[in-house]
Amino acid sequence: GAVVSQHPSWVICKSGTSVKIECRSLDFQATTMFWYRQFPKQSLMLMATSNEGSKATYEQGVEKDKFLINHASLTLSTLTVTSAHPEDSSFYICSAPDRANYGYTFGSGTRLTVV
Amino acid sequence: QKEVEQDPGPLSVPEGAIVSLNCTYSNSAFQYFMWYRQYSRKGPELLMYTYSSGNKEDGRFTAQVDKSSKYISLFIRDSQPSDSATYLCAMIATGRRALTFGSGTRLQVQP
Repeated sequence: GAVVSQHPSWVICKSGTSVKIECRSLDFQATTMFWYRQFPKQSLMLMATSNEGSKATYEQGVEKDKFLINHASLTLSTLTVTSAHPEDSSFYICSAPDRANYGYTFGSGTRLTVV
Repeated sequence: QKEVEQDPGPLSVPEGAIVSLNCTYSNSAFQYFMWYRQYSRKGPELLMYTYSSGNKEDGRFTAQVDKSSKYISLFIRDSQPSDSATYLCAMIATGRRALTFGSGTRLQVQP
C-alpha cells in the first residue's frame, strides 16, 4: 500500500533554532501534502497545504514565515519550524492524498520538543 | 462552535464489550466520513470510510452515518485490549481536499 515516510520521529531543539521535518511518499507521487499539528489530547489541526511547484496555502492563524513549507518534488515535502519556541512543541503529521487508501496516507508523525 | 464535535473521553470498557463512539457535525457540506485509530505518538490509520447514510460493516467494526441528524458512529464489537487507542472521526466537505477531524475519543479496553 501507499506509504508516507516522515522523519525525524522525534526531535529536541533549543529555543531560537530551526528544525526541518521531511515527508516522502515512497511508492506514489504526492502532488499535494497536508501538514497537521496535534497538541496533547487534542485533534489534528490543519496548518497548511503544500503543492508541488507552487506556494503553500496556510490556514488562518498559521504564520507562514515561521512554518516554512517546501514541496521540492513529487515525492518530498518539508516543514521547517524557524526560530522555534517552547509553544511550538507539538506533534506534527503530514498526509498525502493517494488513490489506494481511500484518498489519504499519513506519516508516522514528528514529536517536537523545544527547550 | 467547532465544525466537528467528539467526546474526548476517556472511555473505559471491559474486554468483550461493545463500544460506541460518536461524532456530530454542523456543516452540511461534509459528504465523506472516516474513522481513524491513533496509537500514542503515531500517525492515524484508517479504519472505516463511508459516504452515504446507513451502516457499513468490516469485521468487528461498524460505521453508521445519519446525514439528516449530522451524526456518525463507530461500533466496535468484542472489544480487545489491543483496541485501546484514540479514535478520531474525520470528514471531507464538498470543495475541500483536507480532512476535518474531531477531537478524538480515548478508549481503554481493560483485560
